[in-house]
Amino acid sequence: QAGLTQPPSVSMDLRQTATLTCIGTSNNVGYEGALWLQHHQGHPPKLLSHRNDHRPSGISERFSASRSQNTASLTITGLQPEDEADYYCSAWDRSLSAWVFGGGTKLTVL
Amino acid sequence: QVKLVQSGTEVKKPGALVKISCTASGFLLTSNHMHWVRQAPGQGLEWMAVITPPGDATFYAQDFQGRLTVTRDTSTATLFMELSSLTAEDTAIYYCTREATGGFDVWGQGTVVTVSS
Repeated sequence: QAGLTQPPSVSMDLRQTATLTCIGTSNNVGYEGALWLQHHQGHPPKLLSHRNDHRPSGISERFSASRSQNTASLTITGLQPEDEADYYCSAWDRSLSAWVFGGGTKLTVL
Repeated sequence: QVKLVQSGTEVKKPGALVKISCTASGFLLTSNHMHWVRQAPGQGLEWMAVITPPGDATFYAQDFQGRLTVTRDTSTATLFMELSSLTAEDTAIYYCTREATGGFDVWGQGTVVTVSS
């Protein structure tokens, strides 16, 4: 089943800014946007951004999501050690009548 | 407090069936789309299915068509996921999650399923 495309890994220095991308199509990301999840192994995923790019309450302002056509992005400013995790995007695909996930990006904070 | 609590670890033999439960508290199970997502060892998150209010329509990922069934018992506020014809590739952590305003905002703690002969 076709999924969204994310870079497998990104490494950035402490206190720097990381931008993670998620490439889809007009049937998914371009249709209703993508949500973003943070996943630390051993814990359930945590929602960082709704499909409308809104941050849930309790999520740091350092996390911001945006979309340009079929590409969604998650920007994390002032990187902290605890930001080291796997990040996933997901979107509803109207052609598949199914949700699709990206393969995930492993963020390393140096 | 909004919460999803899943049933415990399962160990199954190939060809068997597994049924996992997910009990909701703090909100009405029938008010939200409810999803199942899994993560196999060393792999990413994989969407499996959604059950939608109010008529309990279900949508399944193509990879699970024919062997996955998601149901809901409103009297006990419990969501169920039943996966049949298990193989080793079904070894994974299975999560239930609530969809609200375009996001998976509440997650169960995860259920480990191991398929091994």
